[in-house]
Amino acid sequence: SQTIHQWPATLVQPVGSPLSLECTVEGTSNPNLYWYRQAAGRGLQLLFYSIGIDQISSEVPQNLSASRPQDRQFILSSKKLLLSDSGFYLCAWSLPADSSGNTIYFGEGSWLTVV
Amino acid sequence: GQNIDQPTEMTATEGAIVQINCTYQTSGFNGLFWYQQHAGEAPTFLSYNVLDGLEEKGRFSSFLSRSKGYSYLLLKELQMKDSASYLCAVRDGWPDKLIFGTGTRLQVFP
Repeated sequence: SQTIHQWPATLVQPVGSPLSLECTVEGTSNPNLYWYRQAAGRGLQLLFYSIGIDQISSEVPQNLSASRPQDRQFILSSKKLLLSDSGFYLCAWSLPADSSGNTIYFGEGSWLTVV
Repeated sequence: GQNIDQPTEMTATEGAIVQINCTYQTSGFNGLFWYQQHAGEAPTFLSYNVLDGLEEKGRFSSFLSRSKGYSYLLLKELQMKDSASYLCAVRDGWPDKLIFGTGTRLQVFP
């Protein structure tokens, strides 16, 4: 069966510091991968999605970036965090686009507090 | 534009039935999802509708009307553990981008 893991689970970082959140998926090949953010009291916002290695699309312009160095690894990064980057970050995966009716499954989430 | 609307909060009594509505206006449509999210946790998948009609899964059912841009999630025999936020999400075209509503926070009282 497929599993998804992301880490770290919680993170407290000062303004201006770098960020790296990592996500890996097991049990499937060539998944679609996503990064979402959920700010306090707000809905889930899609940040990045990827259909393959080094194929990243950005949904929202910001100081965050994403990379996919391996098929089942997705990394969210920032060079300099802002206070507004605080939130709950969720990695997610789904089967490739040619698999109709597939569901998006979420990792455990990473709580980021920028202070 | 993309717009998904759900009530912000609902309350219900243990053992009762509650219906959470969702209306959507999106540029594309390739299915509608419902997720459950307990406080501080990741969303978990509940149901998926791509054709009109009712999908039943145990105590939970989900309905879709594509012509009306409308869905609802029906929870029967409510339990205290059903207290959570319920997220409506529309798959907008390819490749499986999900557009989420802000969620409905359901509180179940004894």
